[in-house]
Amino acid sequence: NAGVTQTPKFRILKIGQSMTLQCAQDMNHNYMYWYRQDPGMGLKLIYYSVGAGITDKGEVPNGYNVSRSTTEDFPLRLELAAPSQTSVYFCASTEGTQVSEQFFGPGTRLTVL
Amino acid sequence: AQSVAQPEDQVNVAEGNPLTVKCTYSVSGNPYLFWYVQYPNRGLQFLLKYITGDNLVKGSYGFEAEFNKSQTSFHLKKPSALVSDSALYFCAVRDTGAGSYQLTFGKGTKLSVIP
Repeated sequence: NAGVTQTPKFRILKIGQSMTLQCAQDMNHNYMYWYRQDPGMGLKLIYYSVGAGITDKGEVPNGYNVSRSTTEDFPLRLELAAPSQTSVYFCASTEGTQVSEQFFGPGTRLTVL
Repeated sequence: AQSVAQPEDQVNVAEGNPLTVKCTYSVSGNPYLFWYVQYPNRGLQFLLKYITGDNLVKGSYGFEAEFNKSQTSFHLKKPSALVSDSALYFCAVRDTGAGSYQLTFGKGTKLSVIP
């Protein structure tokens, strides 16, 4: 199993540009999450999904959108990139029981200039 | 609402000495508690979790954590630190009372093990 994969690993955007961060998992997990990690701030939940076709906002959803058309994929869309979106983005998945641990991807480091 | 606090931004310990990384939590119901480790330029890796039962939980790489309900704490411990343990450690909580599948993470504690 590849686990959770994310592409790209690095990206530099100009202000106002848009992009999609890709996330895929091959563990047949129903629950998937997008986090951003800023230095000294821990992880903040952006969006999550409890299954194909179902998504919901997390703590910091503004400026982002998601979709979940399949169990495997959970892309994160940035529209009109802003410097405040400079961060490291992590995707995670879990089986969906409350006791299950989350499995994380390697992250995407995004810089908006 | 669920929350977690890691009171120390950084912990320094000499190789071979015991280490402790502190975590306290707040939930409305019973907590599910997790520890994750992050090595530089990597994603988070699961270390251990407390669900119920024995207050001392053993996990990967020789780490263990002690759940203390009265002090609402879940400190991570290791009897003898290795230089390779140097990393960023995150505590996380899920509130069973809220029926939530979301984890709330602490801000992280940087552990430096000095040779």
